[in-house]
Amino acid sequence: EAGVAQSPRYKIIEKRQSVAFWCNPISGHATLYWYQQILGQGPKLLIQFQNNGVVDDSQLPKDRFSAERLKGVDSTLKIQPAKLEDSAVYLCASSLETVNTEAFFGQGTRLTVV
Amino acid sequence: DAKTTQPPSMDCAEGRAANLPCNHSTISGNEYVYWYRQIHSQGPQYIIHGLKNNETNEMASLIITEDRKSSTLILPHATLRDTAVYYCIAGSYYGQNFVFGPGTRLSVLP
Repeated sequence: EAGVAQSPRYKIIEKRQSVAFWCNPISGHATLYWYQQILGQGPKLLIQFQNNGVVDDSQLPKDRFSAERLKGVDSTLKIQPAKLEDSAVYLCASSLETVNTEAFFGQGTRLTVV
Repeated sequence: DAKTTQPPSMDCAEGRAANLPCNHSTISGNEYVYWYRQIHSQGPQYIIHGLKNNETNEMASLIITEDRKSSTLILPHATLRDTAVYYCIAGSYYGQNFVFGPGTRLSVLP
């Protein structure tokens, strides 16, 4: 089966610019996650969707980050305006259910803010 | 979610068993132990998970102590392709909002 697709693979922007990342989860997966992974650290959850509803966005910096999941399928994560400390890999993951199932991760988008 | 502690790095000879320890002394009764790994420049990959019984699949075995305060991931015959960062996570049955720590960087040596 096809995996979790993310684009773009790499992005370089200047600080204060805006950027958007796209994720297409595995077909039929109800749960979708966005993680931020700073170099040398483990991934940190930003937001979790169940279908098109938000389950957990407690660690999403809402003053500059936003995310949506249209029709419970694809999702976009936006940063506006970007800061230097936003440089990281942004990972999207999906799982069949919320309960006790494995999550499948995409390859991520590497963002560099200069 | 409970915090886990892992050694920052380990080496293992190719073909030998790799035993990766994890301490989760504050795990609660309904929290599972999950293991993921992340090969360079890729997203994390699920390996195995368990509650209190030992588990085995085609990738690895998971041994959980009786008091559930620690566990060990076993890769029975490590290959060079097993070189990765391994994450141990104690997570709720009801969600996958895992707290990833820094993990253990496993180097499989020829």
